[in-house]
Amino acid sequence: SQQGEEDPQALSIQEGENATMNCSYKTSINNLQWYRQNSGRGLVHLILIRSNEREKHSGRLRVTLDTSKKSSSLLITASRAADTASYFCATDAQRNNNDMRFGAGTRLTVKP
Amino acid sequence: NAGVTQTPKFRVLKTGQSMTLLCAQDMNHEYMYWYRQDPGMGLRLIHYSVGEGTTAKGEVPDGYNVSRLKKQNFLLGLESAAPSQTSVYFCASSYSYYNEQFFGPGTRLTVL
Repeated sequence: SQQGEEDPQALSIQEGENATMNCSYKTSINNLQWYRQNSGRGLVHLILIRSNEREKHSGRLRVTLDTSKKSSSLLITASRAADTASYFCATDAQRNNNDMRFGAGTRLTVKP
Repeated sequence: NAGVTQTPKFRVLKTGQSMTLLCAQDMNHEYMYWYRQDPGMGLRLIHYSVGEGTTAKGEVPDGYNVSRLKKQNFLLGLESAAPSQTSVYFCASSYSYYNEQFFGPGTRLTVL
């Protein structure tokens, strides 16, 4: 069963706009990771946030984590056409931290 | 550095045939993983390894076997392929469970 679930399933925006994707999970975690997948390619790691952290930044990416609500969000600011991809959150489970569970992903389309 | 490589990139099998997928990493990572990705779904963990000579079951292990005889290689075997195993298979590696995972480019397998 999937641990993380992304919302929305698909998002279409204009270049320059911000994109926000959400991830909800069910059980307590040690860390949460966001990955990006371009069509037909493998996943690329974006950001890892630990359960004792609330926010992390990397370039145009901002990730927040709310462990009380068991949710995380990924914000991409000033989006570009090259940001078009699927974005996945992945969580471990505290009881078995070797077992990462991925959500079904958010398909982001950035129109030029 | 090549990172994570997968062989082959594409394969078509008939029901009942067997095959082995090879994953190799040159980053000296301890942890290696095999996932499958089906349309509209996230990645699901098949098997993983926390070091040379070790393997463990993930979320969907049935119908697959794995071996980690060398630290840099992780093999995924299908003894008797079934149409339900048609999928894209991704290998990944990481330094430890709380570090980012590096993914290979994937193997697209079709079982007729």
